[in-house]
Amino acid sequence: SYELTQPPSVSVSPGQTASITCSGHRLGDKYACWYQQQAGQSPVLVIYQDNKRPSGIPERFSGSNSGNTATLTISGTQAMDEADYYCQAWDNSTGVFGGGTKLTVL
Amino acid sequence: QVTLKESGPVLVKPTETLTLTCTVSGFSLSNARMGVSWIRQPPGKALEWLAHIFSNDEKSYSTSLKSRLTISKDTSKSQVVLTMTNMDPVDTGTYYCARTEGGVVMPFDYWGQGTLVTVSS
Repeated sequence: SYELTQPPSVSVSPGQTASITCSGHRLGDKYACWYQQQAGQSPVLVIYQDNKRPSGIPERFSGSNSGNTATLTISGTQAMDEADYYCQAWDNSTGVFGGGTKLTVL
Repeated sequence: QVTLKESGPVLVKPTETLTLTCTVSGFSLSNARMGVSWIRQPPGKALEWLAHIFSNDEKSYSTSLKSRLTISKDTSKSQVVLTMTNMDPVDTGTYYCARTEGGVVMPFDYWGQGTLVTVSS
């Protein structure tokens, strides 16, 4: 079955740029999306179709996807961005999530 | 306003069958563009996709759990139902339903609040 791999944790200083990667075989041939999950809350879509932002998501969130890796980039990271982030893709009509990355803003 | 709400038992015993209901509002399950998935999350762990039902009633399932899962919908009640057989303590977690719009490769744009299910004797 298809797998997506994320680093367990990423740390960033306030105001700096955070990058979270998601790796999967030929992931660039699929659409990747990203979800933010704050503690105790449901996930929220922050990036879809590799690089599109839903309405209401700040411009500091951006995405890219090429080759085997999709990347979520948060520019000018704020304390409120501290959360778990999950990548997700579809493989033959089957949904797949990455293992999640805990973003710490310190 | 699009909403999804999960309901079902809080506690189930090992070997029992779990039945969860997702009641949606703000959109129609008969809409050709709409689909609903079930996704779960064990305490402190990652999200795991379970099953999806498309507008044309086609279904897809997690490869590892396919033998235990059944997803169905009642368009007239705006409900999507998931059954999972032979429950085990490792199935403990929060179960979410989430919507996709526009086809199979579209993202989950709306999520329910989740329902915590504990499997214990």
